[in-house]
Amino acid sequence: QVQLVESGGGVVQPGRSLRLSCAASGFTFSRSAMHWVRQAPGKGLEWVAVVSYDGYNKYYAASVKGRFTISRDNSKNTLYLQMNGLRADDTAVYYCAKDRLEGSGYAWYFDLWGRGTLVTVSS
Amino acid sequence: EIVLTQSPATLSLSPGERATLSCRASQSVSTYLAWYQQKPGQAPRLLIYDASTRATGIPARFSGTGSGTDFTLTISSLEPEDFAVYYCQQPADWPPFFGGGTKVEIK
Repeated sequence: QVQLVESGGGVVQPGRSLRLSCAASGFTFSRSAMHWVRQAPGKGLEWVAVVSYDGYNKYYAASVKGRFTISRDNSKNTLYLQMNGLRADDTAVYYCAKDRLEGSGYAWYFDLWGRGTLVTVSS
Repeated sequence: EIVLTQSPATLSLSPGERATLSCRASQSVSTYLAWYQQKPGQAPRLLIYDASTRATGIPARFSGTGSGTDFTLTISSLEPEDFAVYYCQQPADWPPFFGGGTKVEIK
């Protein structure tokens, strides 16, 4: 079954850290760039970060750059998001999403999404 | 940053009716535009990319048109499962940006 399953969300105090994981199955994970996209409660979608198919290239939204780190382990078919220095405005459902393009490069279209994991930053 | 503005915010229609959703870009994105559907408590689903290409498994009642700054998603005849929120998204400029969404609700 082709799917992405996120985990690792929860309630965390401002300034603390959290690591999200996204387990992929049913497709060749190592062929596609992978993204994190978030959605604050009752709000729209915000792209967060991308990592290339081989893990070497990474790009971030300005709102998280310097605090979040995206990575992947192709041997484990797993995507990660290390979130440090969390703030209240990071509260959101975090989705992992697969880039539509296989191989090098990016389509910047997201053709497979997980169900998301909720991160709540609150004291 | 290219901003996407969707209208209307809410569309109230009955099953079987035609839905027309608009997405306007602050600058030209050529035909680099996608549409996603999101139902409550679910992840978004890619419907259309490159303005008019249906993603795998998407029914033919969904169609996308437009180029430059003005785009339209049309649902030719609403099925009960089509009532949801629809987002447009542009990959043409950094960062990739989503519109604010249009909610299609049952009238």
